[in-house]
Amino acid sequence: DAGVIQSPRHEVTEMGQEVTLRCKPISGHNSLFWYRQTMMRGLELLIYFNNNVPIDDSGMPEDRFSAKMPNASFSTLKIQPSEPRDSAVYFCASTPGGDVTEAFFGQGTRLTVV
Amino acid sequence: GNSVTQMEGPVTLSEEAFLTINCTYTATGYPSLFWYVQYPGEGLQLLLKATKADDKGSNKGFEATYRKETTSFHLEKGSVQVSDSAVYFCALSRSGSARQLTFGSGTQLTVLP
Repeated sequence: DAGVIQSPRHEVTEMGQEVTLRCKPISGHNSLFWYRQTMMRGLELLIYFNNNVPIDDSGMPEDRFSAKMPNASFSTLKIQPSEPRDSAVYFCASTPGGDVTEAFFGQGTRLTVV
Repeated sequence: GNSVTQMEGPVTLSEEAFLTINCTYTATGYPSLFWYVQYPGEGLQLLLKATKADDKGSNKGFEATYRKETTSFHLEKGSVQVSDSAVYFCALSRSGSARQLTFGSGTQLTVLP
């Protein structure tokens, strides 16, 4: 299995632009998570999907952030408009669902907003 | 609420040295405890876990024992290698589910040859 696949690996964009991060979970996994990692705040859970349905989006920082999961093999995290303080590494993770304790992480997207 | 406090880094050791990275937690009930490792340029990977008091998780020479009386889950390795250089995250899950993982701030380990 190729693992969780994220794209792009690196993104540099100008303030005010729309940014879309992409994630393909491991086949057969039905839970998907988006995390943000910064030096100041560490690793934060942004949103969690189960069977393509958003279950908990309480970690989404503000309305500029939105996430979708149109099918079991694809999810997006969109920031519009982007701001410099959004600069971070964004990770996607998936699990087989249910009360499973191991989350499988992608390699992350390093976002820089200038 | 739930929280995890890790030893401040960075930690720099010589090869074959003994490693301890401290981790303490605050949680209601009986959480499951984990150590994840992040190698340079990679996502986090589960290193080991323990789901109840006095359990010992172990993997790749690393060990950690779930101590309920001290609310701790310290990571240890008897002899580190250069390839162990990475960031180590302690985490807990109150329900045992990956959807409720709370991570510590991470500890950067550098092992010198």
